[in-house]
Amino acid sequence: DAKTTQPPSMDCAEGRAANLPCNHSTISGNEYVYWYRQIHSQGPQYIIHGLKNNETNEMASLIITEDRKSSTLILPHATLRDTAVYYCIVRALTTSGTYKYIFGTGTRLKVLA
Amino acid sequence: EAQVTQNPRYLITVTGKKLTVTCSQNMNHEYMSWYRQDPGLGLRQIYYSMNVEVTDKGDVPEGYKVSRKEKRNFPLILESPSPNQTSLYFCASSPGTGGHLNYGYTFGSGTRLTVV
Repeated sequence: DAKTTQPPSMDCAEGRAANLPCNHSTISGNEYVYWYRQIHSQGPQYIIHGLKNNETNEMASLIITEDRKSSTLILPHATLRDTAVYYCIVRALTTSGTYKYIFGTGTRLKVLA
Repeated sequence: EAQVTQNPRYLITVTGKKLTVTCSQNMNHEYMSWYRQDPGLGLRQIYYSMNVEVTDKGDVPEGYKVSRKEKRNFPLILESPSPNQTSLYFCASSPGTGGHLNYGYTFGSGTRLTVV
C-alpha cells in the first residue's frame, strides 16, 4: 500500500507561511497526492491535489518533488482559522481492483496569535 | 445546498441494541463511503459503495453492515454494538465510481457514537 508520513504536529505564527511536509516514497507513478484538513471534529475538507507539477489554488500551494517521493503543502498567510489537522493522502489499489484512500493520522497545525 | 447529511449527530446506546446511522447526499453522487475516526488511528474506511446495490468492505468492516438501495442513501447498521465501536463516524460521497478525492469528495458532519 502507498503510505504517507507526516510530522504529528507543527506550530506557525499567524500571518506567516505554514509549510507542511509529507513523505510518500512508495507512491505509484500515476497516483495523485491529495491534501485535506479537519477542523475540530468536523468532516474533512478538500484543500488541493497534484500529480507532478506544483499546484496553487485560493487556499494553498502544493509543491511536489521531482522524484514525487515527497510534497509540501503551503498556506501562504496562516490565520487562526487554519488551525486544524492536515492529511496528506495517496490512493492505493486494493486486491479487488478498486481504490482506497489512506488518511493516516495527519499533522496537527496550530496557528499562534 | 450540496451536502452530506448524517443522523444522529450524537448517540449513546447500550451494548447489543441494534442501531442505524443514516447518511443522505443530495448531489447525485455514485460513490459513498463510511469511515470511523479514533484517536491516534486517523480515519479508517468501514464500507463503501460504488453505486446502487454495489457495496464492498473497507479496512475495518467487522461488526457493521451497509445497504445501498437508493443512490442518495447509505445507512450504516450496527446489528449488535459493542463498546469498541465507540467512535466518531463520517459518511462521505463523491461523483463517479472511482471515489476520486479530487472530484469533490464531500464529508458529512459526523456522528459521535458511544456504546456503553
